Amino acid sequence: GAGVSQSPRYKVAKRGQDVALRCDPISGHVSLFWYQQALGQGPEFLTYFQNEAQLDKSGLPSDRFFAERPEGSVSTLKIQRTQQEDSAVYLCASSWGTSYNEQFFGPGTRLTVL
Amino acid sequence: AQTVTQSQPEMSVQEAETVTLSCTYDTSESDYYLFWYKQPPSRQMILVIRQEAYKQQNATENRFSVNFQKAAKSFSLKISDSQLGDAAMYFCAYRSRTTSGTYKYIFGTGTRLKVLA
Repeated sequence: GAGVSQSPRYKVAKRGQDVALRCDPISGHVSLFWYQQALGQGPEFLTYFQNEAQLDKSGLPSDRFFAERPEGSVSTLKIQRTQQEDSAVYLCASSWGTSYNEQFFGPGTRLTVL
Repeated sequence: AQTVTQSQPEMSVQEAETVTLSCTYDTSESDYYLFWYKQPPSRQMILVIRQEAYKQQNATENRFSVNFQKAAKSFSLKISDSQLGDAAMYFCAYRSRTTSGTYKYIFGTGTRLKVLA
């Protein structure tokens, strides 16, 4: 595809359910980032992949959050036992290299936990 | 830890006029990059402009320019000849180079820009 895609665009989960959010980066992009954006706030870094290696997961808020990118392309962010405070937009971004190359963002997945 | 502060939650500008959005940051690093991103209501963030900290010359991209004051840790965005399509949330971002060699981005809380016809 021409850009970063994310699915689903909207997800409603009951508290305690597990969810999986998918990110398809631009083909060939080495770097992939996940961010959490609460309403009215800026994106907050969650985790970073360089190809299939998760080099930084310091932003993951708890051990309920898990991300993977097994083949160095598609990535999945999984949230186990969702809580209301997990409600946010989850943004994925990819970039060609590992320097300051421009990040290309996806449209995000809006997660609402009831 | 690095922080990015945008003290203007909302700004308004008349079409064709000039507006400046403020951003300050705090870091002990000397090697970093600064960015302005635009997020229209559709949510997809796009890069507006970027600045390398080691460059003294301010970056410019068409109607967009920055005033980078490294000693003051200030990085403001100037939009000239404002257009209706410039209306969006604008985020200032700092790209940290961590000791592990990764590239964590830190965003401010954003400034909502309204353009008045």
